Amino acid sequence: DAGITQSPRHKVTETGTPVTLRCHQTENHRYMYWYRQDPGHGLRLIHYSYGVKDTDKGEVSDGYSVSRSKTEDFLLTLESATSSQTSVYFCAIRGQGGETQYFGPGTRLLVL
Amino acid sequence: GIQVEQSPPDLILQEGANSTLRCNFSDSVNNLQWFHQNPWGQLINLFYIPSGTKQNGRLSATTVATERYSLLYISSSQTTDSGVYFCAGMSGGYQKVTFGIGTKLQVIP
Repeated sequence: DAGITQSPRHKVTETGTPVTLRCHQTENHRYMYWYRQDPGHGLRLIHYSYGVKDTDKGEVSDGYSVSRSKTEDFLLTLESATSSQTSVYFCAIRGQGGETQYFGPGTRLLVL
Repeated sequence: GIQVEQSPPDLILQEGANSTLRCNFSDSVNNLQWFHQNPWGQLINLFYIPSGTKQNGRLSATTVATERYSLLYISSSQTTDSGVYFCAGMSGGYQKVTFGIGTKLQVIP
């Protein structure tokens, strides 16, 4: 356990509504990541952050935005949710100079 | 970005058997990790192994960086080893981590 929590853990929403997922860490790690996991695709990087207000896109960033105003929180926003964004979302952290990623418990999102 | 290929995609073992999982990378990586996702969805880091060999109990891993592949060995498998095994790596100076699609392992009693 690397002190990572995700909220909510489960969410059902309707197409077109905005959704924000939160990742919270307690150990001041520099790097934070958002992934989605879908059958047949493994984990795919959506966005990552390398510091407060410093973020960059991953391979599947379309339709998602992120913000990091504090070291401990990394927010993922779906501006207008679509059914293709139904997935399990994982947050991960990695420390400065650290090699290992640690994952949160995941958030199951269903977009109807 | 780099491409990560894992094999086999699926594996069924009798309890007590040994197995080898393979991960190939399209380019050199500077941060290679193996993860286990248990049947409850939790992702657990097994090894950070950019090169060389490491062992942890019944699991060991070897990475041959010059040939761009890594192997995960599971000996005397147990039902608790079931789940999906992922390898992942970063290339160059970037912080983007790319995952393979995983090997799904089922260990039957």
